[in-house]
Amino acid sequence: DQQVKQNSPSLSVQEGRISILNCDYTNSMFDYFLWYKKYPAEGPTFLISISSIKDKNEDGRFTVFLNKSAKHLSLHIVPSQPGDSAVYFCAASYYGSGNTGKLIFGQGTTLQVKP
Amino acid sequence: ETGVTQSPTHLIKTRGQQVTLRCSSQSGHNTVSWYQQALGQGPQFIFQYYREEENGRGNFPPRFSGLQFPNYSSELNVNALELDDSALYLCASSLKGMNTEAFFGQGTRLTVV
Repeated sequence: DQQVKQNSPSLSVQEGRISILNCDYTNSMFDYFLWYKKYPAEGPTFLISISSIKDKNEDGRFTVFLNKSAKHLSLHIVPSQPGDSAVYFCAASYYGSGNTGKLIFGQGTTLQVKP
Repeated sequence: ETGVTQSPTHLIKTRGQQVTLRCSSQSGHNTVSWYQQALGQGPQFIFQYYREEENGRGNFPPRFSGLQFPNYSSELNVNALELDDSALYLCASSLKGMNTEAFFGQGTRLTVV
């Protein structure tokens, strides 16, 4: 049961353009969502998060949008830079009902930003 | 502020052996979670430790066990290794009871042959 899905395994964009990474979830209990970036041979690095009480959170070049009715979130990177090339993971969590805030991850999307 | 560190970074074991992986959590964090990341997949939750006790477990067999120490560092033990246990094992530290980000170590790459 894949509760968090990233349906695009890969994405390629030109430097300076917008990168949009998408994520869908099925569990309506999720109330906190995160994006992580991962380079080869490194652990995931936290990028940005959003609580379910918001529909947008922005941090520099990174913006996360949450559409609760569609159970969909997206990460926008503007402008994209070659150093953004990495695997991006969407994750979700919630506390309560016996759940301890564990992170449920999607499968990841590999972003390539071409110079 | 010290980050999350894991040791060793790489490990090769033989099927049937036992392995112990170690993690030092980020300063100020009281909760440690372990994840397994198979090739091409997202990290899968193994279990979480808080106040030296297991505080949630994913869909992993009992041969996966752990410990948390008073200084919040942690160990992951896997007995009777199987070939499918080959993966990247990630440790993450966080604050219990709060929806905040978890910080990950660099991982331990375990290969079972």
